[in-house]
Amino acid sequence: GAGVSQSPSNKVTEKGKDVELRCDPISGHTALYWYRQSLGQGLEFLIYFQGNSAPDKSGLPSDRFSAERTGGSVSTLTIQRTQQEDSAVYLCASSWAGGEQFFGPGTRLTVL
Amino acid sequence: RKEVEQDPGPFNVPEGATVAFNCTYSNSASQSFFWYRQDCRKEPKLLMSVYSSGNEDGRFTAQLNRASQYISLLIRDSKLSDSATYLCVVNKGGGFKTIFGAGTRLFVKA
Repeated sequence: GAGVSQSPSNKVTEKGKDVELRCDPISGHTALYWYRQSLGQGLEFLIYFQGNSAPDKSGLPSDRFSAERTGGSVSTLTIQRTQQEDSAVYLCASSWAGGEQFFGPGTRLTVL
Repeated sequence: RKEVEQDPGPFNVPEGATVAFNCTYSNSASQSFFWYRQDCRKEPKLLMSVYSSGNEDGRFTAQLNRASQYISLLIRDSKLSDSATYLCVVNKGGGFKTIFGAGTRLFVKA
């Protein structure tokens, strides 16, 4: 079946603009994660959705970052008023509860 | 203490060497354990799950030590293609969230 997909694959934006990144998880997976990874660095956890529970937002770096997961499926990560330090690869992963995470190919965000 | 901690890297080994990575976790209630591999500029991919009895997949062996709260990954007969970052993943005890360690970078040289 289809894996996790993310769009766009690349996004170039100007400082101060808002961006939306999309993640389509594997059908039926109850958990969805967003991560950020800067070049040469490790995964930085951003947010975790599990079923109908309140999301774990403990990794969001500032209030400019927010995420939604509609209908327990598609998720959108929104970054408002982008800054140059937001430039990174944003990775989405989905899983069954407590199971292996399957990653999408990521969105490479460049803020000029 | 971090929830999941890994050996600091990088590890530089010659082809054919045996190399071992350890990963410690802080919550004794954790139940699910995994090793992932991440190649440069690629997304992480599952290498193997870690079972209580230990498991082996070709040149790779994973073990779990619940008493000391760590998991290990042993790579035998290292190949150039094993060069990557190896990440351990542990579920947050008492819940379903799984947490990544910071990763250990391995360089295998000819």
